[in-house]
Amino acid sequence: DQQVKQNSPSLSVQEGRISILNCDYTNSMFDYFLWYKKYPAEGPTFLISISSIKDKNEDGRFTVFLNKSAKHLSLHIVPSQPGDSAVYFCAASSAAGGTSYGKLTFGQGTILTVHP
Amino acid sequence: DAGVTQSPTHLIKTRGQQVTLRCSPKSGHDTVSWYQQALGQGPQFIFQYYEEEERQRGNFPDRFSGHQFPNYSSELNVNALLLGDSALYLCASSLVPVYPYEQYFGPGTRLTVT
Repeated sequence: DQQVKQNSPSLSVQEGRISILNCDYTNSMFDYFLWYKKYPAEGPTFLISISSIKDKNEDGRFTVFLNKSAKHLSLHIVPSQPGDSAVYFCAASSAAGGTSYGKLTFGQGTILTVHP
Repeated sequence: DAGVTQSPTHLIKTRGQQVTLRCSPKSGHDTVSWYQQALGQGPQFIFQYYEEEERQRGNFPDRFSGHQFPNYSSELNVNALLLGDSALYLCASSLVPVYPYEQYFGPGTRLTVT
């Protein structure tokens, strides 16, 4: 049961343009969403997050949008840079049941390639 | 400020053997989570340790067990290894309950079972 899905295995964009990575989830109990970036031979690095009480969070070139009714979130990178080339994972968590120990459920990842 | 460290980096084992992986959390963090990442997939949650107890567990068999020490470091043990256990094992640390969701990952241990 894949509760978090990234349906695009890869995305290729030109330097300076916008990159849009998408993520869908099925579990309505998820209340916190994160994006991680992963380079080869390194662990995932936290990028940006959003709580379910918000619909947008911005940090520099990175913006995450959350559409709770559609159970969909997206990560926008503007402008895209060659150094952004990596695997991007979306992840979700839930504080339901009184526990908030932060178990993360990840999507399969999207490989982003930014061409100079 | 040292980040999350894991050892060893790579490991090759034979089916049926047992393996122990180690993790030291980021300085100041008290919670350690373990994830398994198969090739081409996202990380899957194995379990999480806080205050030396297993707090949450994912859908993994009892062959997977763990431990957290008083200094917050942790071990992941896998018994009776199967070929399907070949994966990248990631350790993540966080500070519960202040920032439970912001987990910092180590570089992982690549386990190959032959």
